[in-house]
Amino acid sequence: ITLKESGPTLVKPTQTLTLTCTFSGFSLSTSAVGVGWIRQPPGKALEWLALIYWDDDKHYSPSLKNRLTVTKDTSKNQVVLTMTNMDPVDTATYFCAHRQINTGLDSWGQGTLVTVSS
Amino acid sequence: DIVMTQSPDSLAVSLGERATINCKSSQSVLYTSTNENFLAWYQQKPGQPPKLLIDWASIREYGVPDRFSGSGSGTDFTLTISSLQAEDVAVYYCQQYYSTPHTFGQGTKLEIK
Repeated sequence: ITLKESGPTLVKPTQTLTLTCTFSGFSLSTSAVGVGWIRQPPGKALEWLALIYWDDDKHYSPSLKNRLTVTKDTSKNQVVLTMTNMDPVDTATYFCAHRQINTGLDSWGQGTLVTVSS
Repeated sequence: DIVMTQSPDSLAVSLGERATINCKSSQSVLYTSTNENFLAWYQQKPGQPPKLLIDWASIREYGVPDRFSGSGSGTDFTLTISSLQAEDVAVYYCQQYYSTPHTFGQGTKLEIK
């Protein structure tokens, strides 16, 4: 299983961030499979953001729920995360990761650093 | 949200000695239907993504050295490294996946004394 995050490295405050997770080695049409998004500000801890399952069930961090949207394109093996109204505090490395339902995140992308600055 | 609190925040241990990291959840993560604790441990080295070490509180992932072990149930969990090796220097995180958001602990930085 491999995953890779892609998207802009620099966004301006108030802009919308769109990140794509392109994966291989599994299908998001397979029962019990999910892809999560996690971020990590420089030098800080991991923060769970969102999760989408094979059946299109979606979960979001309550503190960011109004700003996040996660979607999947099963035919392209991609998951897309959008985050609106970006702020400098959203500067972080953003990771996507694979999981099976009721397990941990067993495969991670390398992450992509997104800087929010004018 | 379930709050995950790790202790200590940092730890220095001599090579070959035991390292112990604790993780406490603000509510139980034991799924009573299957008697499984929905708790994972990750290792993160600088510049790398986290690596899943232990799942269901005590099940080592394939390929993880047996010096790593996890224990605990309900709200209190422990990651133990029985004999610290130089390559174990990293930040370790616990995570609960009992309920969303699947929160992480704040991390424990493990160094060589």
